[in-house]
Amino acid sequence: QSALTQPASVSGSPGQSITISCTGTSSDVGGYNYVSWYQQHPGEAPKLMIYDVSNRPSGVSNRFSGSKSANTASLTISGLQAEDEADYYCSSYTTSNTLVFGTGTQVTVL
Amino acid sequence: QVQLVESGGGVVQPGRSLRLSCAASGFTFSTYGMHWVRQAPGKGLEWVAVISYDGGNKYYADSVKGRFTISRDNSKNTLYLQMNSLRTEDTAVYYCAKDWKVGANVEIDYWGQGTLVTVSS
Repeated sequence: QSALTQPASVSGSPGQSITISCTGTSSDVGGYNYVSWYQQHPGEAPKLMIYDVSNRPSGVSNRFSGSKSANTASLTISGLQAEDEADYYCSSYTTSNTLVFGTGTQVTVL
Repeated sequence: QVQLVESGGGVVQPGRSLRLSCAASGFTFSTYGMHWVRQAPGKGLEWVAVISYDGGNKYYADSVKGRFTISRDNSKNTLYLQMNSLRTEDTAVYYCAKDWKVGANVEIDYWGQGTLVTVSS
């Protein structure tokens, strides 16, 4: 199972919006609405930010939103803040009953 | 609240074995699928294995199939990962993680803090 494709890095200024893409195939992203997004700060465990493509867990800021079109999912962070600087990973369920993660995106707040 | 505490990591020589454990609390362990995910130093996340809520279904990444075995003891609220024939490329922080959906194995919501496994001669 190949990793989902994400841009290596994305940057933005405070207050701006950024979008991270996550491209897979019809066997994973395109086949199910089980796409999740995780935020990971250095030295910490990942934290769930979005599940089922576009749902936010309780306690996650509404500045984070998710969507999907065909084989590509996206995470948008609006009103970018310094605390959003972290690595972000997407994940998808697959036809093999496994999970696959994205390659990861480093978000930098300028 | 949900707590997942991994243990059993350490330094091991190539070809040897190691067993990781994950003690779960704060939720009804026996109703959720559980995953292992690893992260090599400075690298991204790699899904390793999943076990269904009742232990009846197990799935593995191709990179560990035939070498690693996931299991669980619902009476002890504990998840395990038996790692045999370890390779240097298995060096990583290993995370125990809980599925968010009751009775399913589709998405992870909570993660442990991880345990470091170093495979080196």
